[in-house]
Amino acid sequence: SQQGEEDPQALSIQEGENATMNCSYKTSINNLQWYRQNSGRGLVHLILIRSNEREKHSGRLRVTLDTSKKSSSLLITASRAADTASYFCATGASGSARQLTFGSGTQLTVLP
Amino acid sequence: GAGVSQSPSNKVTEKGKDVELRCDPISGHTALYWYRQSLGQGLEFLIYFQGNSAPDKSGLPSDRFSAERTGGSVSTLTIQRTQQEDSAVYLCASSLGGVGNTIYFGEGSWLTVV
Repeated sequence: SQQGEEDPQALSIQEGENATMNCSYKTSINNLQWYRQNSGRGLVHLILIRSNEREKHSGRLRVTLDTSKKSSSLLITASRAADTASYFCATGASGSARQLTFGSGTQLTVLP
Repeated sequence: GAGVSQSPSNKVTEKGKDVELRCDPISGHTALYWYRQSLGQGLEFLIYFQGNSAPDKSGLPSDRFSAERTGGSVSTLTIQRTQQEDSAVYLCASSLGGVGNTIYFGEGSWLTVV
C-alpha cells in the first residue's frame, strides 16, 4: 500500500520560479527521503530528513517535515529546465529498516 | 563499484519465458532491495535482503517471482513464465542497512513481455 502521497500529481512552472511539492503519510516514521527520477529510470537520492528534524537544506533544495501533520514538503528554488523530472517521497517506518514506502510521485515540468 | 549496477538495462521476452535480472550492489552495503515500477506509477516493494538474515519476501506478487543473493553481494531476480502484466522497470537498491541510512538505486532493468 502507498504510504507517502505526493501533491500535486503534476506541476508546471517557468524557469526561475520556485517549485513546491508536498508529501503526506499515514503511520509513524523514522525518516523521510526525497528522490528524483528522470524518464522512468533510476532514482537519485536528494535528501533524507529524520523524524527529529524539522528542516533541511541542500543547495537549492529545502525540505521540511511536520510529524504532527504527517507531512513533508520539498522546495526547489530558482528552478531550471534540468529540474524537470518526477519527484518521490519515501518513508522509512519507525523501528524497521526493511523498506521504504514510496508515493506515486509529482511530475515537475520546468519550462525554459 | 561506484554505484548499484543492474543488467540487462532492457529486456524483451516472449510471454511464458523465464527471465533473470541481475543486481550488483555498492561494495560494503549489506542491505539490498528490489522494487518494481509500472509505467507512470510509484515504486512497489518486492523483496529485501539484509546480511545473513532471512529475506523479507512479503512484496513478491506471485510464486513466479523469486530472488537470491549469493555471498551477501550480487542478487538475481527471477521471473518464471512471464506474463504481459510483468512488464515494468525493475529497480534494485542497496544501503548500509539499519534504520535511516540512504538507499541508493540502480538505473533499473526495463522488462517488456510481448
